[in-house]
Amino acid sequence: DAKTTQPTSMDCAEGRAANLPCNHSTISGNEYVYWYRQIHSQGPQYIIHGLKNNETNEMASLIITEDRKSSTLILPHATLRDTAVYYCISSNFNKFYFGSGTKLNVKP
Amino acid sequence: GAVVSQHPSWVICKSGTSVKIECRSLDFQATTMFWYRQFPKQSLMLMATSNEGSKATYEQGVEKDKFLINHASLTLSTLTVTSAHPEDSSFYICSARGRSRTAGELFFGEGSRLTVL
Repeated sequence: DAKTTQPTSMDCAEGRAANLPCNHSTISGNEYVYWYRQIHSQGPQYIIHGLKNNETNEMASLIITEDRKSSTLILPHATLRDTAVYYCISSNFNKFYFGSGTKLNVKP
Repeated sequence: GAVVSQHPSWVICKSGTSVKIECRSLDFQATTMFWYRQFPKQSLMLMATSNEGSKATYEQGVEKDKFLINHASLTLSTLTVTSAHPEDSSFYICSARGRSRTAGELFFGEGSRLTVL
């Protein structure tokens, strides 16, 4: 079962940073935080993952709180193509359960 | 990134027939594959986990005799929906991971949309 909670939806202006929060208060010590996104009728796309340190790649940054109970995915300059459902998952790499995700609407 | 391919992308079948969906890892050896289903406007639901050469492990509530999973090689897993009925109409998505646990990435296929008439 999914062990993360996310807001149902968020709006973001094109060109601005999108900050998507995720609560994973029951995360275990050996579980990573993963972020995927799904554009309509496609398979999920990997974005980023981390254990306890903040991570950054060409797509996004992941900020994990010191107690690891929550995290924030940051898309630094959102574009219209970033409109999608974003899923936050906590996993020890054995199974990946998806929660309901956040529908990010990037508006011009 | 690694590529996972599903076939067919979409299929329409008559009620009572069986449908097979293939999931292939194209450029890596997938030791574990996961099968999900997704209904409209809902999230992905994990159906089963399959490890190469062993029987699949099904999630609670998923009928193993209804959804047959075979993971015969390190690059191919198949999901067969047996005696399909309209309520089985859904978007089926596979994902795969390789031997390296440090990679951290789970690669997803494009999905297969099943419509049962």
